[in-house]
Amino acid sequence: GQNIDQPTEMTATEGAIVQINCTYQTSGFNGLFWYQQHAGEAPTFLSYNVLDGLEEKGRFSSFLSRSKGYSYLLLKELQMKDSASYLCAVIGNDYKLSFGAGTTVTVRA
Amino acid sequence: IAGITQAPTSQILAAGRRMTLRCTQDMRHNAMYWYRQDLGLGLRLIHYSNTAGTTGKGEVPDGYSVSRANTDDFPLTLASAVPSQTSVYFCASSDASGTDTQYFGPGTRLTVL
Repeated sequence: GQNIDQPTEMTATEGAIVQINCTYQTSGFNGLFWYQQHAGEAPTFLSYNVLDGLEEKGRFSSFLSRSKGYSYLLLKELQMKDSASYLCAVIGNDYKLSFGAGTTVTVRA
Repeated sequence: IAGITQAPTSQILAAGRRMTLRCTQDMRHNAMYWYRQDLGLGLRLIHYSNTAGTTGKGEVPDGYSVSRANTDDFPLTLASAVPSQTSVYFCASSDASGTDTQYFGPGTRLTVL
């Protein structure tokens, strides 16, 4: 089976930086996605990593280490609108997405 | 229509009743998926379709069925609903199966009493 772990909740202050970690143990690896989900809404795509290293996209960056089974999503210059759940998902050998339970980030003024 | 639509938005259903959740996409994506999302468990794959005319079972298929008669539509049917099927259901699609990004519909909140 697939095992994907991420913290349940994180709180940070507006303008700060938050790092959301994701560790995975899966049957094979064909890529890792991060999605953002605001309460009551659909998940929306943030990033995709398949090779080791850092991918930067504006205020959001995602890092992958395949040898360690580890990824993180870095949110910089936090804004109130960044309050949401962040979902880590891995594609294994079956080429299907397996999701972690999500990390709820609360941004305080 | 832009992207993926789902209907109904929400539904309260008596146990034992039959229910079909509708999903339509206008992106001409080949692959479509149904997930359920429960607190503390994350999104779990129910059924998927890699292309029109084919379907497959995901992680939690029991009690659900799907069909894929054409590219755009992917309905999910609960033949005889049970309270444990109370959940939020998301439909998603991707250009192809595999590593292509999946795009999600707005979801259907289903309560089975």
